[in-house]
Amino acid sequence: EADIYQTPRYLVIGTGKKITLECSQTMGHDKMYWYQQDPGMELHLIHYSYGVNSTEKGDLSSESTVSRIRTEHFPLTLESARPSHTSQYLCASIQGASYNEQFFGPGTRLTVL
Amino acid sequence: QKEVEQNSGPLSVPEGAIASLNCTYSDRVSQSFFWYRQYSGKSPELIMSIYSNGDKEDGRFTAQLNKASQYVSLLIRDSQPSDSATYLCAVRGLTGGGNKLTFGTGTQLKVEL
Repeated sequence: EADIYQTPRYLVIGTGKKITLECSQTMGHDKMYWYQQDPGMELHLIHYSYGVNSTEKGDLSSESTVSRIRTEHFPLTLESARPSHTSQYLCASIQGASYNEQFFGPGTRLTVL
Repeated sequence: QKEVEQNSGPLSVPEGAIASLNCTYSDRVSQSFFWYRQYSGKSPELIMSIYSNGDKEDGRFTAQLNKASQYVSLLIRDSQPSDSATYLCAVRGLTGGGNKLTFGTGTQLKVEL
């Protein structure tokens, strides 16, 4: 069972606001990921990190930014939210070797009005 | 050609039947293969992983891998209405140093009473 936490679970916010979506895991996993998924659509990787102070952009261009100052924490920030950012954001993590399994957090459903 | 391909469905099976879900992948050096189940509005949940050619069974689920044919499948025996969900195939190859999963678009399964 994975211990990955995301807050908030739901967020409705107005255009132009700065928001931070939190993701934390208590397993000491070194690799963490952010995905974006619209309802009924496929997962898109938007950011990932292989460890502290390591962040990379994913396969889908995103206006969000991430940071990895602590192993357990991988927040995602939108400086100025827009309606096009409305989506579900999923955080995931994995430990060590490539054979290991990737676990997802419960997700944050963001609505920008 | 997509890196991981799945039939989007919906695949409809009667309760108690065997559901067969298929996935093909393009990267010949892929090492790890995963099946996730995703209920509507929820995050993906890992249900099976397979790394070697052949079959791997876990309860009602059997994963089958054929690396020569670049094909991985998931069989669900005695299908239940609670199995109705979208099933995502994921593959880990050498992309991103072997640290990223590539997901298919998912197959929607409907188990009918």
